[in-house]
Amino acid sequence: GAGVSQSPSNKVTEKGKDVELRCDPISGHTALYWYRQSLGQGLEFLIYFQGNSAPDKSGLPSDRFSAERTGGSVSTLTIQRTQQEDSAVYLCASSLEGMNTEAFFGQGTRLTVV
Amino acid sequence: SQKIEQNSEALNIQEGKTATLTCNYTNYSPAYLQWYRQDPGRGPVFLLLIRENEKEKRKERLKVTFDTTLKQSLFHITASQPADSATYLCALDRGSTLGRLYFGRGTQLTVWP
Repeated sequence: GAGVSQSPSNKVTEKGKDVELRCDPISGHTALYWYRQSLGQGLEFLIYFQGNSAPDKSGLPSDRFSAERTGGSVSTLTIQRTQQEDSAVYLCASSLEGMNTEAFFGQGTRLTVV
Repeated sequence: SQKIEQNSEALNIQEGKTATLTCNYTNYSPAYLQWYRQDPGRGPVFLLLIRENEKEKRKERLKVTFDTTLKQSLFHITASQPADSATYLCALDRGSTLGRLYFGRGTQLTVWP
């Protein structure tokens, strides 16, 4: 596609359930990032992929969070046993050659844990 | 760890005036600094990138300066318009292969007629 695509755009889940968030980056972009943005807050870095490997996953808040990327393309962020504090907008971005160039963001997935 | 401060959470100016937003950072000096615009309910959109060896970069009504001595970047919007109302984020990039963008919390700009 022409841009970064994220799905679903909105997700409401019950506390304790697992959720999967998907990101389709721009074709040919080797770098992929996940960020989290809570209401009125800045972007919190979660994880960075270069190809299929994740050289920096230092931002993942707990072991309930995991992410993978396959084929150097699609990435999935999984949150297990969701908690209310996980409620936020999860943003995915992709770029060429790491972050030396501009990052293109998706529209985000708004996650609400009730 | 890197700390980024944007001068204020909100800035209100009159149409036609110049808006100036500030981004200050601590610790290491980034190889690049980027500015993004974010509208409600949408992801950030890239505006400008300035490298550490550049003092100033312009794009239409936008101007960015980068002072590595002061550890500060200024973002200017000249002849501001109500359509410029949005949240503006600065982001630092170390420029390494393991780089990631550190984002400030943003400044919400409102341009009133």
